[in-house]
Amino acid sequence: EAGVAQSPRYKIIEKRQSVAFWCNPISGHATLYWYQQILGQGPKLLIQFQNNGVVDDSQLPKDRFSAERLKGVDSTLKIQPAKLEDSAVYLCASSLLWGSEAFFGQGTRLTVV
Amino acid sequence: DQQVKQNSPSLSVQEGRISILNCDYTNSMFDYFLWYKKYPAEGPTFLISISSIKDKNEDGRFTVFLNKSAKHLSLHIVPSQPGDSAVYFCAASGDSGNTPLVFGKGTRLSVIA
Repeated sequence: EAGVAQSPRYKIIEKRQSVAFWCNPISGHATLYWYQQILGQGPKLLIQFQNNGVVDDSQLPKDRFSAERLKGVDSTLKIQPAKLEDSAVYLCASSLLWGSEAFFGQGTRLTVV
Repeated sequence: DQQVKQNSPSLSVQEGRISILNCDYTNSMFDYFLWYKKYPAEGPTFLISISSIKDKNEDGRFTVFLNKSAKHLSLHIVPSQPGDSAVYFCAASGDSGNTPLVFGKGTRLSVIA
């Protein structure tokens, strides 16, 4: 079974630039999550989708972050404009059912300079 | 306010001995707990979980203990192996796993041969 795919693996941008991350969840997984992991911290949930609907985006900085999940499968997370404090690993995860164990991708390491 | 706390940033254990990783939580609504393992440059991998209706769950060398009255859980690895060296994250959710996972900051385990 293929795992959660994310791209790119690494990205370096200047502050105020825009960046987008892509995620392809495990086939058949209805729930998709985006997490932000700052160095030395645990993953923090940014947004949760159930199929293509948003379940929880309470911790998403909506003035600069946006996410969508087209047709309930792939998802993109965008930051526009980026700030230095956005430097982190962005993890995508999916689960078969809402509340079951989440499977994580390898993450995208973003460095904002 | 950190709802899931892993107070030991790191732990070193000799190969063959027991590793005990601890986690405390403050939110009494949490009723589902998970441990994830993370190697460098990879996403977290699900290890073991426990529901609040149980006080112990075992899977091979890994056992998770839950003390609801103390709001404390621990992961025991016996015997520890060098391949167990990784960062271990404790995570919790509520409503039988139907609320987003809240992660601790992680504990880096080093198993010394």
